Amino acid sequence: DGGITQSPKYLFRKEGQNVTLSCEQNLNHDAMYWYRQDPGQGLRLIYYSQIVNDFQKGDIAEGYSVSREKKESFPLTVTSAQKNPTAFYLCASSFRGQGKADTQYFGPGTRLTVL
Amino acid sequence: AQSVTQLDSQVPVFEEAPVELRCNYSSSVSVYLFWYVQYPNQGLQLLLKYLSGSTLVKGINGFEAEFNKSQTSFHLRKPSVHISDTAEYFCAVSAPAGGTSYGKLTFGQGTILTVHP
Repeated sequence: DGGITQSPKYLFRKEGQNVTLSCEQNLNHDAMYWYRQDPGQGLRLIYYSQIVNDFQKGDIAEGYSVSREKKESFPLTVTSAQKNPTAFYLCASSFRGQGKADTQYFGPGTRLTVL
Repeated sequence: AQSVTQLDSQVPVFEEAPVELRCNYSSSVSVYLFWYVQYPNQGLQLLLKYLSGSTLVKGINGFEAEFNKSQTSFHLRKPSVHISDTAEYFCAVSAPAGGTSYGKLTFGQGTILTVHP
């Protein structure tokens, strides 16, 4: 079955530690995205990548880093510089540049809790 | 720049009653519009989308939405809700992508629909 997988589903981290969230897709999508979700704030874009080996900052990139070495994978690292990392993180992917809306499809999410 | 306002943060209804979740947007260019649903501790699932053509869009699970350009609205409706429709619903807007331009998706803050027996 085609889809987007995120792992782990739940993640606990101590303050001062970096942690990496995994996102993999087998939809042959060009573009991938990371969002952060906090209660009552909707989804906010962290980073996005439209093509392998290229990515751009979204609205709240500070304290996060990404890489895009393979089309299928877009891991997100939450660094110790992120002041308030406890949140629900969602990965999405889409086709790109078709002259129409690049409809985004979402993974199941990772809930990160900093202890 | 685009923005989305979901006018109700919470909507309680009884089972089999109709429901409308309201969404207004602002944009300086033509837009595409989306509704997503999120069940607790899950990702977002696409309910329906408006790209062009008929302003009445039908989606999954019996939902539909109407694009009203003059009122810049894209309200979501269902004539008869079920307990299983209890979830959070997000309205989103994007500008057309083209070439290397990325059609950024901007989300509203969400509406929690609670269906009571």
